[in-house]
Amino acid sequence: KQEVTQIPAALSVPEGENLVLNCSFTDSAIYNLQWFRQDPGKGLTSLLLIQSSQREQTSGRLNASLDKSSGRSTLYIAASQPGDSATYLCAVTGNQFYFGTGTSLTVIP
Amino acid sequence: GAVVSQHPSRVICKSGTSVKIECRSLDFQATTMFWYRQFPKKSLMLMATSNEGSKATYEQGVEKDKFLINHASLTLSTLTVTSAHPEDSSFYICSASPGALARGHNEQFFGPGTRLTVL
Repeated sequence: KQEVTQIPAALSVPEGENLVLNCSFTDSAIYNLQWFRQDPGKGLTSLLLIQSSQREQTSGRLNASLDKSSGRSTLYIAASQPGDSATYLCAVTGNQFYFGTGTSLTVIP
Repeated sequence: GAVVSQHPSRVICKSGTSVKIECRSLDFQATTMFWYRQFPKKSLMLMATSNEGSKATYEQGVEKDKFLINHASLTLSTLTVTSAHPEDSSFYICSASPGALARGHNEQFFGPGTRLTVL
């Protein structure tokens, strides 16, 4: 069974700092990997989608990489802002949809 | 941890028929349930948010009469795809939350998904 783990579980950084969130998965047979953002009381907001054949995707201040062979993905957030505070989830699509454990990010003004 | 189940996990139906997908929270009461759809090679899309005992809130562009959502109890929400067509074929995922801002941030638990294929 696919297991998706995110480290760290919680992260607190000062505004303006660059940061990296990590996601690891045990089964490399995936179709794609996605990063989501979740705000309190809200559903998921999709941030980036990386197909299994791709190495990275970029959107604004966000950059996600994928190393399928090692079962790892990173989400890089540049110049963090207080509005980036949220829970970040990665998820892999294989035979089913597997979400990671999440990283709760707090950006301190 | 909290468990959310979906049934069925996979369904194949003929065009024009209706399909019901169930989402259950097995060991907690879900105040809010979310329904998502994932198109092939596309990201996840939030379809609607349902609160127990009230009408679902649909996202822009989602047809309310096409995708009927019922959240009749604190442990069960259903999504019915009415008069299904091949373009409705997709991966549908639900999630359930025991409430907003539980334990410092919103906790949401996800079902394993239902793959719908309309012939």
